[in-house]
This record gives sequence, C-alpha cells and structure tokens, in this order.
Amino acid sequence: QSALTQPASVSGSPGQSITISCSGTRSDIESYKIVSWYQQKAGQVPKVVIQEGNKRPSGISTRFSASMSGNTASLTISGLQTDDEADYYCCAYVGSRTVVFGGGTKVTVL
Amino acid sequence: EVKLVQSGAETRQSGESLRVSCQASGYTFPTYWIVWVRQMPGRGLEWMGSIYPGDSDTRYSPSFQGQVTFSVEKSINTAYVQWNSLKASDTAMYFCARRLDGQQTTFDSWGQGTLVTVSS
Repeated sequence: QSALTQPASVSGSPGQSITISCSGTRSDIESYKIVSWYQQKAGQVPKVVIQEGNKRPSGISTRFSASMSGNTASLTISGLQTDDEADYYCCAYVGSRTVVFGGGTKVTVL
Repeated sequence: EVKLVQSGAETRQSGESLRVSCQASGYTFPTYWIVWVRQMPGRGLEWMGSIYPGDSDTRYSPSFQGQVTFSVEKSINTAYVQWNSLKASDTAMYFCARRLDGQQTTFDSWGQGTLVTVSS
C-alpha cells in the first residue's frame, strides 16, 4: 500500500511560518490530487484543518493554507502561535476507494 | 449538531472477541460514509476502512482486511467494528468519523475514541 512521508518534526518561533511536506508517489498524490490535513493536539481527537481542494473548514484560521506540486502536498502555518503545537497528518486518496494517512509531523513552537 | 458517540474503553485477553460501537446523531445517518481510524500508543493515525450505512458497502485497508469487520444497524444509527480474535497488537485507540459528502479524505466529525487494551 502507498505510504506518505512526512518529516517527523518541524519547529518554529512564534510569528514565523513553517511548512510541513507530505510526499507520495505518481500513483497517489500526483494522480488524484486529493489530500486533507488534520491537527491532533495531545490527548485530543483529530480535527480537519484543510479539506479537499485546499479549503479551510469553517472556524479554521486563515493562517493555515495548503498547496500541491507533483507528488508532494504541503501545509503552511503562518504567524505561528503556541496553540499550533500539535501533530499534523496528511491524508490522501490512493485509488480503489482507499485512503492513507501520512506518518505525522510534530510541530513545536520554540 | 452532528455527534458521534463511541462505546467505552474495553480490556480483553488475546483470542477474545470484541465489538466497538459508534452512534451517530444530528444528521441523516444512512447517507454519509463512516470511517474507522486506529491509533496505536504513541503512533500515528491509520485508516482502517469505511462503510456506507445506506447499503453497508464497505472498503477495508489492505492492512486490516480480514482482521476486522465493519457493520451498521440503521435503526439505531450505529456503526460497529468487530474483532473475532484479538491480538495484543490490537491494543490501540480506535476512532470513528463521518466522511464529508462528496469527498474521500475529509472527515468532519469524530467520535471521542475507544481505547482497546488486549493482554496476552
């Protein structure tokens, strides 16, 4: 099954911008271009921060944005805040009505 | 308000069976896919598969095919995931979530999670 590769950790200072990458293959992200992003704070349930089409659900800060190029999807958090500390997961459609999550990236605000 | 409420934490021995439930409210249950997600201790999210309550159409991740069974009971707006013979490696938190209509990867409402502990 397809695997999506994310960096294990990313850090930044308050106010900075960070970008989390999610690398797939020509068979998944590059072919289907269907990706969502989830935030999971410690001990909490995951929450979608970017839905398909790089859209923000209602209530999600405009500081969260996403893009795609080739076989890589990216999540950018601008104006980093302490409240953004969490694990972030990409989730991509890989065909045959199946979906896979990336390994997750721990975001630390220095 | 859309809500998914899962059954409580469970502890079992290896080889035992288990069924975890996910009761939906606040929307038309048969018309939205339900997905199941595993999170092993200290690890990431894993998509186990999905079920469409309207006709019980199911799709399993290859990693979970044959290991679990999804089902629904429409009369009580409830989805289930079942194990026939648990292993210690099934110890994890299990989440159900509703898949947004028309999308494959957007899960807009989540259950609170059910912690399953299996001892060998």
